[in-house]
Amino acid sequence: DTGVSQDPRHKITKRGQNVTFRCDPISEHNRLYWYRQTLGQGPEFLTYFQNEAQLEKSRLLSDRFSAERPKGSFSTLEIQRTEQGDSAMYLCASSSANTQYFGPGTRLTVL
Amino acid sequence: SQQGEEDPQALSIQEGENATMNCSYKTSINNLQWYRQNSGRGLVHLILIRSNEREKHSGRLRVTLDTSKKSSSLLITASRAADTASYFCATDALGGANSKLTFGKGITLSVRP
Repeated sequence: DTGVSQDPRHKITKRGQNVTFRCDPISEHNRLYWYRQTLGQGPEFLTYFQNEAQLEKSRLLSDRFSAERPKGSFSTLEIQRTEQGDSAMYLCASSSANTQYFGPGTRLTVL
Repeated sequence: SQQGEEDPQALSIQEGENATMNCSYKTSINNLQWYRQNSGRGLVHLILIRSNEREKHSGRLRVTLDTSKKSSSLLITASRAADTASYFCATDALGGANSKLTFGKGITLSVRP
């Protein structure tokens, strides 16, 4: 199965530490999205890549967040100086047209 | 911000019954998609309906779209215990360049065996 994969699946960190998540999209998909989901809520859009270009960033993406997709394939999302409010599920999705296919997510817990 | 609102927020039915879930949204759309999420896991795409379509079927799923009322419904027929999950509607706003999705808060469906 060559679906969207994310690593790690779970991350526990202490407040103030930096964390990095990785997303491997479906290989032929040129569009890649990051979303964040908190408990009891639907996912909220964070950022969008078309190939290697980051074309849109949500206001939710503070200066502590940075995302890259250096070769237009996998993507990383880094959070610097984590805060307890960053605790959430971080979801990655990829698409080639209208349908977005989601990975299993990375659950971040900031202590 | 959440664009869609699903109704009801929670639904409990007996196996074999039909489940109907509703979604309302605020802005004009290109398409509307329904996703399922099992507890603590990623989202599984169920069905996409375009703004010029009124009804679509996929297996036991039936989706309707009423753009004049800015609403959609998802019907799951002959429900199974394995259908227990959270269901989300998501919209791709008309005029948006990047097809980002805006989700509702979701409906929790429990199917009792």
